[in-house]
Amino acid sequence: QKEVEQDPGPLSVPEGAIVSLNCTYSNSAFQYFMWYRQYSRKGPELLMYTYSSGNKEDGRFTAQVDKSSKYISLFIRDSQPSDSATYLCAMSEGGYQKVTFGTGTKLQVIP
Amino acid sequence: DAMVIQNPRYQVTQFGKPVTLSCSQTLNHNVMYWYQQKSSQAPKLLFHYYDKDFNNEADTPDNFQSRRPNTSFCFLDIRSPGLGDAAMYLCATSEGPSQETQYFGPGTRLLVL
Repeated sequence: QKEVEQDPGPLSVPEGAIVSLNCTYSNSAFQYFMWYRQYSRKGPELLMYTYSSGNKEDGRFTAQVDKSSKYISLFIRDSQPSDSATYLCAMSEGGYQKVTFGTGTKLQVIP
Repeated sequence: DAMVIQNPRYQVTQFGKPVTLSCSQTLNHNVMYWYQQKSSQAPKLLFHYYDKDFNNEADTPDNFQSRRPNTSFCFLDIRSPGLGDAAMYLCATSEGPSQETQYFGPGTRLLVL
């Protein structure tokens, strides 16, 4: 079993839809949870960063962490064609430990 | 704008011919990382430097080496590239040793013929 599981997609949605992206993980020691956005042939860009359980909102983006279920989500409201990218979840135990990335979900927002 | 720069963006090499990829940063961050990312796979950490302190991941092949001559620059050397080393190589930085917030460069795509 992989430490971090992420549905590769692709996920196609119409413009304006609410998008839900998810990851599950097996390591209960993970404390920090991140979402990166990666456009085609570019490096990942940090979108959201959350410590422990709970929700965090930034504009159209909401990150949720449920440590009891070992499940994290990223919601995108009013999705735009410019949101079309691969979204990587990432997590870490903290304490200078390395970050473990998911394989990414490819999202396409259709105008 | 402060950023992470990688050169070249595309690199073609021959099987077994040494190749060097470079990364520079204007963020003045203490930590620099090298990742390998193959198509539809998660980025895989190869090395990281905290200042001049070099940290090698246990499963990084001996074929891969790295140098950090100063704060701003870091190099990835592949001594004898094989076909399996074709990938995107990503350089990233973080301000301190906590790895949660990383800033990535655009990557160098390596093709091995």
